[in-house]
Amino acid sequence: AQSVTQLDSQVPVFEEAPVELRCNYSSSVSVYLFWYVQYPNQGLQLLLKYLSGSTLVESINGFEAEFNKSQTSFHLRKPSVHISDTAEYFCAVSKAGGSEKLVFGKGTKLTVNP
Amino acid sequence: NAGVMQNPRHLVRRRGQEARLRCSPMKGHSHVYWYRQLPEEGLKFMVYLQKENIIDESGMPKERFSAEFPKEGPSILRIQQVVRGDSAAYFCASSLQEGNNQPQHFGDGTRLSIL
Repeated sequence: AQSVTQLDSQVPVFEEAPVELRCNYSSSVSVYLFWYVQYPNQGLQLLLKYLSGSTLVESINGFEAEFNKSQTSFHLRKPSVHISDTAEYFCAVSKAGGSEKLVFGKGTKLTVNP
Repeated sequence: NAGVMQNPRHLVRRRGQEARLRCSPMKGHSHVYWYRQLPEEGLKFMVYLQKENIIDESGMPKERFSAEFPKEGPSILRIQQVVRGDSAAYFCASSLQEGNNQPQHFGDGTRLSIL
């Protein structure tokens, strides 16, 4: 079985500051990794995913995440955040090539202050 | 191109009543997943369905919960004899076909409140 740990439940930062949201996973098999973002009263939107290949993946709005197999981590980073990035971010994992279900972490609430 | 549609957005039920949550997947998608989000928790997988088939129900409570995805019409998550602990946000997601490289697209959820 897979599990995901998001170490920070809340992360407050100032606008234009860099941010890192941490995610560690546990699995005995190969996995795919995902970051989803949830705005208030909305569903989850896929931010980026790692399936294979380059360990650094990027989103269209400036976020990036790096898959580190030795540290079983998939931390999300952005060099300069905007107010509009305020949301809850969920890291998720699924078994590679197998079951479709996603296993989610508990989420990190990112609050960007002016 | 409409996304995943869930209704109702909010549902209030008294203990002992039945709750029916509907999910219409994105056009062309034949795979549906249901997740539950409890307060201060991440989403927990409940069930994965394809048209007329339950593929994985390992996350479904053993009693009172059922799900279907008929050949025609939306997927339905049904909760019988609701209890306070069923209060949560229920999310549906759909994908185009099998394989984890097909992303799951989420609806905006149904927030179920039990009085």
